[in-house]
Amino acid sequence: QVQLVESGGDVVQPGRSLRLSCAASGFTFSSYGMHWVRQAPGKGLEWVAAISYDGTNKWYIDSVKGRFTISRDNSRSTLYLQMNSLRPEDTALYYCAKRADIAHQTLDYWGQGTLLTVSS
Amino acid sequence: AIQLTQSPSSLSASVGDRVTITCRASQGISSALAWYQQKPGMAPKRLIYDASSLESGVPSSLSGSGFGTDFTLTISSLQPEDFATYYCQQYYNFPLTFGGGTKVDIK
Repeated sequence: QVQLVESGGDVVQPGRSLRLSCAASGFTFSSYGMHWVRQAPGKGLEWVAAISYDGTNKWYIDSVKGRFTISRDNSRSTLYLQMNSLRPEDTALYYCAKRADIAHQTLDYWGQGTLLTVSS
Repeated sequence: AIQLTQSPSSLSASVGDRVTITCRASQGISSALAWYQQKPGMAPKRLIYDASSLESGVPSSLSGSGFGTDFTLTISSLQPEDFATYYCQQYYNFPLTFGGGTKVDIK
């Protein structure tokens, strides 16, 4: 069965960096685009970034462009989110999610999330 | 970015009630709309894609409709397991965007 397990969340000070990871199993990771979606405490869902199946195409929400970098290692079936210059407003539960199929940029499997808190 | 406006933001209903949630896009998105359900402490679950296609295993009491800018999610007879927060999501273009959510709770 499909499993997505995020890790790397922590409490960090504003301006610092952190890298999140998402270990995937139960499907052919190298065949699917992947996404990061976040949810601030008590708030709604916010899409953050996406990467194509082979890593050649990447997309970001404006508020993280230039600060966050999405990447993947298909040999390790792992997705990453490198986050630099962190701000308090980046505080959220970060989910990784799998693209459903080539025809739909919808998200059919999600991890349980990893919590990032940015605070001094 | 395409904005999605959901209404209502919350509603109270009873088991057996018919519930309708709307999602309006700030520009036409064809049928590139999905609906998700999220329960407290859980990850979201995809319910519907392409505005009206039901995810495998989702009960037929749920249905979606719409095209262009106006979409609806309908639960024909609310069941205890349907009490949750629902989000629409457009995938017409990047950045992907979600609606603000509709919380359905017990009256």
